[in-house]
Amino acid sequence: DAGVTQSPTHLIKTRGQQVTLRCSPKSGHDTVSWYQQALGQGPQFIFQYYEEEERQRGNFPDRFSGHQFPNYSSELNVNALLLGDSALYLCASSRSGRTNTGELFFGEGSRLTVL
Amino acid sequence: GESVGLHLPTLSVQEGDNSIINCAYSNSASDYFIWYKQESGKGPQFIIDIRSNMDKRQGQRVTVLLNKTVKHLSLQIAATQPGDSAVYFCAENKEGYQKVTFGTGTKLQVIP
Repeated sequence: DAGVTQSPTHLIKTRGQQVTLRCSPKSGHDTVSWYQQALGQGPQFIFQYYEEEERQRGNFPDRFSGHQFPNYSSELNVNALLLGDSALYLCASSRSGRTNTGELFFGEGSRLTVL
Repeated sequence: GESVGLHLPTLSVQEGDNSIINCAYSNSASDYFIWYKQESGKGPQFIIDIRSNMDKRQGQRVTVLLNKTVKHLSLQIAATQPGDSAVYFCAENKEGYQKVTFGTGTKLQVIP
C-alpha cells in the first residue's frame, strides 16, 4: 500500500518563474493538504482540497494555487517565485472525517530552491 | 491569534532514559492536540493525539499529557532509543476546521 507520494523531490528555479508540484494521496484518502516548511521551522498550512474544491486556506498570497483531480491527486502551483518561497513543500492526505482530529499522513516533500 | 510554541529547541537524552518534550499553546478553542515526529529528510509522522476533554492518553512507549489550566502539552517517551532521535512538533486542530497548526519543533538527540 503506497503512502503519500510527491514529485519532484528536488527542484531549482529562478525568481519570477512558476512551479508545479504534484501529490498522490495514500490509498483510501480523499483529502489533500499542502504545507510549506522553511528550514528549522514547523510546517505552515497553505490550503486543503476535498472533492476538487479548496476547503480552507492559510495565510498565503494568491500566487499559491492548487487543484485536486477526480482521482484525489493534487497539484500545488506557485507563480512569480520569490527567494522567500524556497522551502520544503509537504503534501498530507487524510480521510474526510479523520481530518478533524488532525491525523495527517505526509509525503517526503518537494525541496524547492529559488535562486 | 492561534499559535503553538515549544519551550526548548534541543533536548539531549541518554539512551534508555525517559524523555519529556513540552509545548505551550494559546488557542483554547482547539479540539485536538497532536504530536508529530519528523526524521531528517522525511515528512512528519503522526505519533499520538489527544482530545481537549482528556488530560492523558497513552500509546506504545508514549504518553501525552494535556493541562488546559496552564495551556500546556507534553509528550513523554519511555526508554528512549536511538531511533527516537528526530524533531518533534506539537500541533493543534479545531474540529470543523481543516487546518492543523504546527509549532516550531524540538530536536531530540539520543546519546548512546
